[in-house]
Amino acid sequence: DGGITQSPKYLFRKEGQNVTLSCEQNLNHDAMYWYRQDPGQGLRLIYYSQIVNDFQKGDIAEGYSVSREKKESFPLTVTSAQKNPTAFYLCASSAGEDRDTEAFFGQGTRLTVV
Amino acid sequence: QQQVKQSPQSLIVQKGGISIINCAYENTAFDYFPWYQQFPGKGPALLIAIRPDVSEKKEGRFTISFNKSAKQFSLHIMDSQPGDSATYFCAASKNAGKSTFGDGTTLTVKP
Repeated sequence: DGGITQSPKYLFRKEGQNVTLSCEQNLNHDAMYWYRQDPGQGLRLIYYSQIVNDFQKGDIAEGYSVSREKKESFPLTVTSAQKNPTAFYLCASSAGEDRDTEAFFGQGTRLTVV
Repeated sequence: QQQVKQSPQSLIVQKGGISIINCAYENTAFDYFPWYQQFPGKGPALLIAIRPDVSEKKEGRFTISFNKSAKQFSLHIMDSQPGDSATYFCAASKNAGKSTFGDGTTLTVKP
């Protein structure tokens, strides 16, 4: 089945530690995105990538880093510089320019700082 | 600067009633307007989408109404059911680029 796989579903992190969230897609999509979701605040864009080996900051990139070494993978690292990392993180992909722009979302990773 | 404003934040409707969620946008370059449905603990999924060359699109009980001159679009859910209870997000994008999302509406349909 084609889709987006995020892992793990739940993640606990101690303060001061970096943690990496995985996102893999087998839809052959060019574009991939990371969103953060907090209650009552909708989806806020962290980083996005429209092509391999290239990515851009979104609205709330501080304290996060990404890489796009392969088309199907777009991991997100939450660094210790992120002051309030507890949130629900969503990865998405879309076909890219000149095609339908529907975003396909993964099932999310809930990160909790303990 | 919020480019897509969504209202209401929450909505309670009786079973069989009509649910209406509204969105307004600012950027006239937007050319794709999807609505996503999200259940608790899950990722959003596309519900229905419209492009600005049409004023209405209907899929089953779900209808998007689009008013280009007013820069507004809305989602209507006819004969609302308890299973429709979820959070709904409107979004907008241009040139197949990244989407800008509204803040979401939590819909509760009471039996």
